[in-house]
Amino acid sequence: DQQVKQNSPSLSVQEGRISILNCDYTNSMFDYFLWYKKYPAEGPTFLISISSIKDKNEDGRFTVFLNKSAKHLSLHIVPSQPGDSAVYFCAASGRIRRGGSEKLVFGKGTKLTVNP
Amino acid sequence: NAGVMQNPRHLVRRRGQEARLRCSPMKGHSHVYWYRQLPEEGLKFMVYLQKENIIDESGMPKERFSAEFPKEGPSILRIQQVVRGDSAAYFCASSPQVGEAFFGQGTRLTVV
Repeated sequence: DQQVKQNSPSLSVQEGRISILNCDYTNSMFDYFLWYKKYPAEGPTFLISISSIKDKNEDGRFTVFLNKSAKHLSLHIVPSQPGDSAVYFCAASGRIRRGGSEKLVFGKGTKLTVNP
Repeated sequence: NAGVMQNPRHLVRRRGQEARLRCSPMKGHSHVYWYRQLPEEGLKFMVYLQKENIIDESGMPKERFSAEFPKEGPSILRIQQVVRGDSAAYFCASSPQVGEAFFGQGTRLTVV
């Protein structure tokens, strides 16, 4: 049962344009969401997070949007750069409700390619 | 402050042997998580540990797999009698009580 879904296995965009990566979740107990970036042969790197009390969080070129009613979140990267080419994982947890650390449930990832 | 350290980076085992994967969390982090990534798959949760306690092992196979996080020393993920299907990248992450999880570089296990 895939509780976190990233339906696009890959995405290709032109340098300078916007990249939009999407993620859907099914578990209504999730209240904290994260995006990780992963290069080949390396561990995932934390990018940005959002709690369910917000609908938007911005950090430089990265913005995450959360639509709780649709159980959907997206990561926007603008402008996209070739160095952004990597696999992006969406992750979710019930951390806020639990009041502390909790396991993350990951999607299968979306491979982003930014072409020069 | 060193990041999450995993060793070895690569491990080759013959079928039936034991595999031991080590994870040293970041300084000040008392929570450790193990994930497995199979080819073309996402990261699958295996186990969540705090010092000397297993908090959640719902993702661990019932047989051959075990994990510990002793009071002193690294967290260990142990796989007994490895089979080809155990070949994967195993990632460890650590976090403080409240805060983001940071991942190590992973151990790539190959069973031949």
